[in-house]
This record gives sequence, structure tokens and C-alpha cells, in this order.
Amino acid sequence: AQSVTQPDIHITVSEGASLELRCNYSYGATPYLFWYVQSPGQGLQLLLKYFSGDTLVQGIKGFEAEFKRSQSSFNLRKPSVHWSDAAEYFCAVGPASGGYNKLIFGAGTRLAVHP
Amino acid sequence: DAGVIQSPRHEVTEMGQEVTLRCKPISGHDYLFWYRQTMMRGLELLIYFNNNVPIDDSGMPEDRFSAKMPNASFSTLKIQPSEPRDSAVYFCASSYTGPNEQYFGPGTRLTVT
Repeated sequence: AQSVTQPDIHITVSEGASLELRCNYSYGATPYLFWYVQSPGQGLQLLLKYFSGDTLVQGIKGFEAEFKRSQSSFNLRKPSVHWSDAAEYFCAVGPASGGYNKLIFGAGTRLAVHP
Repeated sequence: DAGVIQSPRHEVTEMGQEVTLRCKPISGHDYLFWYRQTMMRGLELLIYFNNNVPIDDSGMPEDRFSAKMPNASFSTLKIQPSEPRDSAVYFCASSYTGPNEQYFGPGTRLTVT
């Protein structure tokens, strides 16, 4: 069955520290991969996406993610976190071709940033 | 270009009342998705449309929920009658590529008392 696991429900980091949010997926075929961010009271905003090619993808707001096929992972990273990065982050997988036709979201990781 | 527009942003209603949520997708996007977000269940896909036609409504929880897309620029999600357990944030999203790369609206926070 298709699924997305975000092992960390809550993460707290200090401003300026590095960040890595974990995402693992189970999918029957090669998926497309996404990270979304949701600020309080807002909708989900697309941070970055992986379709094919270079496994290290750059996104908005200084975020990057690395696709590791052997580990079925798509972890999100940022070298230096800003207070404004406090939000909830969702990993999602979607169909690269045919088959299952929905975007599957993880449960989310809530990020808190200490000054 | 304006993003996905949803109205109202907040809705408070009493149990048994009819609720209608509205969505305007991004122009040129021919896929539209309705989601519900709760603390307990996370983000759930309710229904999605392609070219105004409902493709998959398997996520619609009950017959009390219905959705329409009369044209490419407008969709509604209706709950009749509403119940307290329907309280949630409802998101509309649109895409030009199918289920991938969806753009979300700001959501409607529904409270049913």
C-alpha cells in the first residue's frame, strides 16, 4: 500500500541551526515527491518537488531535499533556520505515470524555532 | 496571478444547517481538489475534478457531503445537514498536471456547534 511516513511529529531547533526533516515513503512505482509548508492559519505552499534527474533539488526559502531511492527517503534540509520557518511541513508522493492518481500526504512535522 | 480563492474563510453554523464552501481555482488549471484537515485525521482528500467532471469521490465521508463544479472557475462543497464532527479546515487545491504539483487555497475553517 502507498504511504508516507514522517517519523518526527514535533521538532524544535534554535535559530541559525541546521535542520533536517525526515520523510520515508512506500510506493509501488517511481513516485514524484513533494514538500509542502503550512504556516498557521494558511494553506499549504509548495516548497520543492522532485520528478527526475538530479536527486538533490532546491526549493524556495533556502530549502533543499535529497531523494534516495535505496532508502525510499526524501529528507528536507536547511543549513540555517530562521524564526519565520516555524510551521508545519508535509511530505507527499504522487504518481509519476498512470496508476494511483492521488497525492498521498504524510502526517506532518511541526517545527518550532527558538530565538 | 491570483492563487486559489476560497470563501468564506471562517464559517460558524449550528448543527443541522446547510453549509456551502466555495472555491475558485487558478485560471488554466483543469484539476480541482477538495481536502479536509483535522488534528485527528490529518489531510484527507474528499473529491477531485478534472475538466469539471468528478473523477474520484471515494473520500466523501457521507451522503451529507456533495460537491459540484459547474464551470472551470468555480466549485462548491456542500454539507447538508451539518454535524459537529464536520468541524475542520476545508482546503481547495488546483493543478494543471493532475494530482501532482497542487496549489492550495487558504482554507475555510468550519465550526459546527
